[in-house]
Amino acid sequence: AQTVTQSQPEMSVQEAETVTLSCTYDTSESDYYLFWYKQPPSRQMILVIRQEAYKQQNATENRFSVNFQKAAKSFSLKISDSQLGDAAMYFCAYRSAGKDDKIIFGKGTRLHILP
Amino acid sequence: GAVVSQHPSWVICKSGTSVKIECRSLDFQATTMFWYRQFPKQSLMLMATSNEGSKATYEQGVEKDKFLINHASLTLSTLTVTSAHPEDSSFYICSASYWSLLQYFGPGTRLTVT
Repeated sequence: AQTVTQSQPEMSVQEAETVTLSCTYDTSESDYYLFWYKQPPSRQMILVIRQEAYKQQNATENRFSVNFQKAAKSFSLKISDSQLGDAAMYFCAYRSAGKDDKIIFGKGTRLHILP
Repeated sequence: GAVVSQHPSWVICKSGTSVKIECRSLDFQATTMFWYRQFPKQSLMLMATSNEGSKATYEQGVEKDKFLINHASLTLSTLTVTSAHPEDSSFYICSASYWSLLQYFGPGTRLTVT
């Protein structure tokens, strides 16, 4: 069974600085998708970024980028120029590329932005 | 596009009663809908997956008779918590997908059982 591990329950970063959230996963599959979701205080889940395992190039969405290391099964999220609105719970997630379309979430990292 | 709504956003019910939560895909037809439960400061736990017109598939440990899921149309799925107890109090989130790897999440429903 696949697992997703986020080892940092909480992190803080100064506004305008850069922060990296860690995520590791375990799978025996070769084809899959990885996601980072953001859950602000409103509790609405928001997709931040996604990565297809077959792509070597790291995904980037504006200030958000990932460092995908397939061999190490690592998928970290880098947030540049942190803003107050980035304060939220961040979940790393895994989805098989096969028929099973369930998403497996990590336990989350709560990110605080210090003004 | 790809908006999912949930109703109600917050419900309070008395112990022993049943409560229904609706999940609607507003601008697309959802072939699959998912129901999650989230306790305070915890992650999302998948409860069940439902496909339109067929029975829901429940995750291990989730009581089928307590959490009734109906996916009667391509735009509506309902979760009914039967004979609710205080320990059922939680935040319930649905998501929907249409032949896509992306799941679109609803805003969630806070259930409080007194």
